[in-house]
Amino acid sequence: QVTLKESGPGILQPSQTLSLTCTFSGFSLSTYGMGVGWIRQPSGKGLEWLANIWWDDDKYYNPSLKNRLTISKDTSNNQAFLKITNVDTADTATYYCARSTEGVMDAWGQGASVTVSS
Amino acid sequence: DTVLTQSPALAVSPGERVSISCRASEGVNSYMHWYQQKPGQQPKLLIYKASNLASGVPARFSGSGSGTDFTLTIDPVEADDTATYFCQQSWNDPYTFGAGTKLELK
Repeated sequence: QVTLKESGPGILQPSQTLSLTCTFSGFSLSTYGMGVGWIRQPSGKGLEWLANIWWDDDKYYNPSLKNRLTISKDTSNNQAFLKITNVDTADTATYYCARSTEGVMDAWGQGASVTVSS
Repeated sequence: DTVLTQSPALAVSPGERVSISCRASEGVNSYMHWYQQKPGQQPKLLIYKASNLASGVPARFSGSGSGTDFTLTIDPVEADDTATYFCQQSWNDPYTFGAGTKLELK
C-alpha cells in the first residue's frame, strides 16, 4: 500500500523560507522510473505543479517559481523535501506530495496547509 | 506553457452519462491524466495516459482522446461522483493542470 504524508510549519511570515517534508511508504525512490512531485492548491482554486524529483536525482521545476524552489530526497529514509524561499501571501495554499511515474501523480498525500501571514 | 481548458461546471442526473472535456493549447500525445477531487480531500487519479483506468477505479469511468482533445466519461453517473475533475498533461514542460470541472448532481 502506497502512502504519503506531508508535514510543514503551518504558518510562516513573509520573506521566510518554507520547508516541507514528504514521508512515504510502499515504494522506493531508488526504483527505476520512480519520482515524487509537489503540487499546491490555494483554497477554492486549482492545482499548480511545482517540482519533481526522480530516482536518479534528476530534478524538474516549474519555471514560474524555479528560482525559489529546491527539491531534494533522502532515499534511505523514504522522504522528499521542498523548500520555497522568500514566501509571500500568494504562497498560502495546501501543499501536496504525490508519487509520480512518467508525470502521472498516482498516489497523493492528504496535504499540508500553509499560511503566510505577518 | 500548455494551457488546458475545461468547462467550469456540469449538472447531470444520476444514471445519466456525462462527458467532461479537456482541450490542450498544444499537442500532448497521449500524456493526459484525469483526477477526481472531493471537497476537503486530496485529488485521486482516475485515468492515466488518456485511456488507462487507474487501479481500483470503477469501470464507469473511461477516458479517450489524443493530441489536443480529451474526454473523461462517466456512465452511469452516481451520487458519489459529485466532485471536481481535473485534467493534467505531462508531455510538455512544465506539467500543467486544467482549472477543473465541477460536477453536480440534479
